[in-house]
Amino acid sequence: DAGITQSPRHKVTETGTPVTLRCHQTENHRYMYWYRQDPGHGLRLIHYSYGVKDTDKGEVSDGYSVSRSKTEDFLLTLESATSSQTSVYFCAISESWGNQPQHFGDGTRLSIL
Amino acid sequence: GDSVTQMEGPVTLSEEAFLTINCTYTATGYPSLFWYVQYPGEGLQLLLKATKADDKGSNKGFEATYRKETTSFHLEKGSVQVSDSAVYFCALSGLCETSYDKVIFGPGTSLSVIP
Repeated sequence: DAGITQSPRHKVTETGTPVTLRCHQTENHRYMYWYRQDPGHGLRLIHYSYGVKDTDKGEVSDGYSVSRSKTEDFLLTLESATSSQTSVYFCAISESWGNQPQHFGDGTRLSIL
Repeated sequence: GDSVTQMEGPVTLSEEAFLTINCTYTATGYPSLFWYVQYPGEGLQLLLKATKADDKGSNKGFEATYRKETTSFHLEKGSVQVSDSAVYFCALSGLCETSYDKVIFGPGTSLSVIP
């Protein structure tokens, strides 16, 4: 299994608070991704990274920011959490560009009350 | 636009039954096709893949053939087990007109296998 660790695995917080989710990989893969998974919407890409300090938006990036200061770590931040951001968040990595499978972490279940 | 369509289920089968989960796609160029599986409480795992027309991907008794003429990538297994109960996602990547390695996932098909 690909070495991907997401932390925390579960979090409950209140509306308006900042939240940071961490993805750590031991595979030295260049590409990293953050998705959210919601019933009826499947998997939707939030942000992705194609190298250290190189990030860009996915299809549902509003309300989220990311940072990648090291190859192995990709952080997802909710600056001011809202109830609509209650979801399961998955980090994924891939080795190279184009036609490559992605490998997923086990997810973070985030509940915003 | 590019998309993946699959039966959403839930699909319920008895153990040792034959499984088919249909997947069709719309895409520009020549994408690669994947099946992922998600067990409860876990992330998606790659099950199999095919990178060009007529390729057959296979793993753990599951098979799927890349059919360009019908734009399909149906997942099959001859005899399912209780341990195959999971959600299955069809996906494609390698699109021509994207700025990143975009993966498009289908909505997922929930499979429940009963003894």
